Amino acid sequence: TQLLEQSPQFLSIQEGENLTVYCNSSSVFSSLQWYRQEPGEGPVLLVTVVTGGEVKKLKRLTFQFGDARKDSSLHITAAQPGDTGLYLCAGVKERTGANNLFFGTGTRLTVIP
Amino acid sequence: NAGVMQNPRHLVRRRGQEARLRCSPMKGHSHVYWYRQLPEEGLKFMVYLQKENIIDESGMPKERFSAEFPKEGPSILRIQQVVRGDSAAYFCASSPISGWGNQPQHFGDGTRLSIL
Repeated sequence: TQLLEQSPQFLSIQEGENLTVYCNSSSVFSSLQWYRQEPGEGPVLLVTVVTGGEVKKLKRLTFQFGDARKDSSLHITAAQPGDTGLYLCAGVKERTGANNLFFGTGTRLTVIP
Repeated sequence: NAGVMQNPRHLVRRRGQEARLRCSPMKGHSHVYWYRQLPEEGLKFMVYLQKENIIDESGMPKERFSAEFPKEGPSILRIQQVVRGDSAAYFCASSPISGWGNQPQHFGDGTRLSIL
C-alpha cells in the first residue's frame, strides 16, 4: 500500500487550462514537498510546506497543505507546454524521528500546445 | 555546479558482479539519503547517512547492499553479487541539517543500473 496517493495519475490538458493535482494520505506529515521530474533526471524541488493550512505560490503554481497535514494540492493556472512533466509529492511522517521521504504515486501531466 | 553529483550516470553490470554508486552532496550539506526507483514504480527510501554514521537503513535490503559516507569523499552505495532485480534508477539526495524533516532534500540526476 502506498502512503501517499496522488490523483489523477495521468492528466492531459490544452494550453491555457487550469488544473489541480491532489496528494492524500491517512497519515500526518511534519512537512510535505512537491517535486517535478523529467525523464532521465532527478526530482527537482518546487516547494516545501510545513504548517497546516499553509498556501505557497510559485508564479502560476499554488501549493496548499491541508489543515490536518494529511493532504496537499497543487494548482496550476493557465498551463503551458513547459509545465509538462511528472509531479511528485513527498512527505516526512510526523513523530517517527525519521527524515526519509515517502513519495506519492505521481501525476504525469501533458500540456498540449 | 553546486548541485548533488552522482556518478556514474549509467552503469551496466553482469549478474554476480559488484556495483558501486557514488554521490557527492551539495556544498554545505552533511546529510545524504539514497532512494531507489524501480521501473514503473515510485521512489522508495533506502538509507540515510551523516558523515561516518548510518542513521537509518530501514529501507535497505539486509543482504548484498551497504552504504557509507566517509569523513572525506563521496557517499558510496555498494551492491554485491548483483541480480536482475537490482536494475533500477538509484537517486541520492542531500540536506543541510536534519531539522526533523523540515529541511528540503535536493536530488541528483541518479545512476541508472542495468544488470545483464
